Amino acid sequence: GQNIDQPTEMTATEGAIVQINCTYQTSGFNGLFWYQQHAGEAPTFLSYNVLDGLEEKGRFSSFLSRSKGYSYLLLKELQMKDSASYLCALMDSNYQLIWGAGTKLIIKP
Amino acid sequence: GAVVSQHPSWVICKSGTSVKIECRSLDFQATTMFWYRQFPKQSLMLMATSNEGSKATYEQGVEKDKFLINHASLTLSTLTVTSAHPEDSSFYICSARDLGAGEVETQYFGPGTRLLVL
Repeated sequence: GQNIDQPTEMTATEGAIVQINCTYQTSGFNGLFWYQQHAGEAPTFLSYNVLDGLEEKGRFSSFLSRSKGYSYLLLKELQMKDSASYLCALMDSNYQLIWGAGTKLIIKP
Repeated sequence: GAVVSQHPSWVICKSGTSVKIECRSLDFQATTMFWYRQFPKQSLMLMATSNEGSKATYEQGVEKDKFLINHASLTLSTLTVTSAHPEDSSFYICSARDLGAGEVETQYFGPGTRLLVL
């Protein structure tokens, strides 16, 4: 089966850097996604990793290590609008997304 | 980027009535759409996978006769909650898979439909 773990909640300061970790176990793997979800809204796509390494996209970067079953989302120069839940999702061998429970990120001034 | 719309965004209905939610991919064709339900402070729960021109695949524990899914075209899928009850009150979100050339199989989400059954 599959399993995804990510912290329930994190707090960071405006302007700082935060790293949200995601670990997973799976028998089939077709990539790992990160989505952002503001309260009361649907998720929006942030990043996709299928090969090991770091993918940078502006203030957001995502890292993957397939051998370790590990990914992280790195957010730099935090802004208040970054307060949201961040969902880690694994794409399995059937191309279905398996969702983590999400990490609620609270940004303080 | 790919845009997915959902209608209605809000619906309040009486117990026992049926509610239809539409999901449309606006600028791409989606052979596969997904229906999710999300309760407050919980993660997304996949209800069913909707394939154009064929029957939907329901996740374990989801009643197919209660949650009717129709995917009649490459840009439209509908979810009908039949005989809705208060426990069906939730945030329903659809997503569509964009398989455009060179694209990662990303799912793009509609804005969601908040259902309140009185």
